[in-house]
Amino acid sequence: QKEVEQDPGPLSVPEGAIVSLNCTYSNSAFQYFMWYRQYSRKGPELLMYTYSSGNKEDGRFTAQVDKSSKYISLFIRDSQPSDSATYLCARYVDTGTASKLTFGTGTRLQVTL
Amino acid sequence: KAGVTQTPRYLIKTRGQQVTLSCSPISGHRSVSWYQQTPGQGLQFLFEYFSETQRNKGNFPGRFSGRQFSNSRSEMNVSTLELGDSALYLCASSWKQGGHEKLFFGSGTQLSVL
Repeated sequence: QKEVEQDPGPLSVPEGAIVSLNCTYSNSAFQYFMWYRQYSRKGPELLMYTYSSGNKEDGRFTAQVDKSSKYISLFIRDSQPSDSATYLCARYVDTGTASKLTFGTGTRLQVTL
Repeated sequence: KAGVTQTPRYLIKTRGQQVTLSCSPISGHRSVSWYQQTPGQGLQFLFEYFSETQRNKGNFPGRFSGRQFSNSRSEMNVSTLELGDSALYLCASSWKQGGHEKLFFGSGTQLSVL
């Protein structure tokens, strides 16, 4: 089982819709979760991060973690065509002697006019 | 601050050749990581360097190697290229804040092996 699993999509929504992007993880160690956005022909850029038990809101974006089901979500409100990109979830674990960042395979999102 | 700079942006090589990719991290960042990105596998961790020392390594064959210089710039090398090495190679520099690392990625080097 992969450490972080993500539905590759593609996901197509009309402008203004609420988008829900999801990942599951397999390990319960203390960890952070991150969401990256990647436009075509660009490197990923960090959108948000949350602790393993928290929710976080930043403008139109909300990151949520459900520890009981090992589910992490990114919600985008009032989606815009400029949100069209691939969204990658990532799990960061630091044991004190080593750290590891593991990415999901990414979900491609298309927001249409 | 300037972002992470990777050169070259595009590269075409043939099987059996070797290639060297370069990465200049954000000024002040001492940690540099390399990732391979392919449509099927996503982002796969190659290795991480900190203060010229390899701190972490992913599950890639020995044909993949890297190094970091005293100015934190890093290079990765792939020898005896195979068709399956065609991918986007991403470099990220990072710093720790609040107990976790924030990675900042470059735009990558798109390598095509023919």
